[in-house]
Amino acid sequence: GNSVTQMEGPVTLSEEAFLTINCTYTATGYPSLFWYVQYPGEGLQLLLKATKADDKGSNKGFEATYRKETTSFHLEKGSVQVSDSAVYFCALSVGGGTSYGKLTFGQGTILTVHP
Amino acid sequence: NAGVMQNPRHLVRRRGQEARLRCSPMKGHSHVYWYRQLPEEGLKFMVYLQKENIIDESGMPKERFSAEFPKEGPSILRIQQVVRGDSAAYFCASSPGQGLGNTEAFFGQGTRLTVV
Repeated sequence: GNSVTQMEGPVTLSEEAFLTINCTYTATGYPSLFWYVQYPGEGLQLLLKATKADDKGSNKGFEATYRKETTSFHLEKGSVQVSDSAVYFCALSVGGGTSYGKLTFGQGTILTVHP
Repeated sequence: NAGVMQNPRHLVRRRGQEARLRCSPMKGHSHVYWYRQLPEEGLKFMVYLQKENIIDESGMPKERFSAEFPKEGPSILRIQQVVRGDSAAYFCASSPGQGLGNTEAFFGQGTRLTVV
């Protein structure tokens, strides 16, 4: 089956620190990979995505590279801000087309950034 | 363009009652997905629907849970005879039909169900 394993949290950082949240996956088939972010009291928002090996997704200073050889999609940001405090979910989907909505999620990583 | 709308945002039910959760997809979207997030866990896929059809219900509990997406109106997730273990956040997502650039599902803000 499909599964996603994320680095356990919570992660606490000072503002302007470097962020890495590890994500590895197993999948039957060729997955597309996603990072979603959930701010307190809100739904999930797509942060970035990559649909094939070696693609790099990026948005708002966050980056993640689809590494097929290590089955990983680690999230990085060079300098975090207080406003980045949220829960981050790594996810995959297999099949393409409308199957992009059928996602397998990791357990989420809570990030707290202090001034 | 309004996003995915879920209501109610919070729902309290006593054990044995029925819970109805509603989801209106984004305008132009004809595909709806329901997820459940138990405390301290990630989201788990429950069911995938298109208008008037259930496409994939592999994540739905076999009893007490049902979902529909009628031709008109919102998608409904129905939980009969709720138990305390049903307490969770239920999220709906929508996506457009087949086509170029269809690589994202948009999520609603969720309904937080509490069973007392």
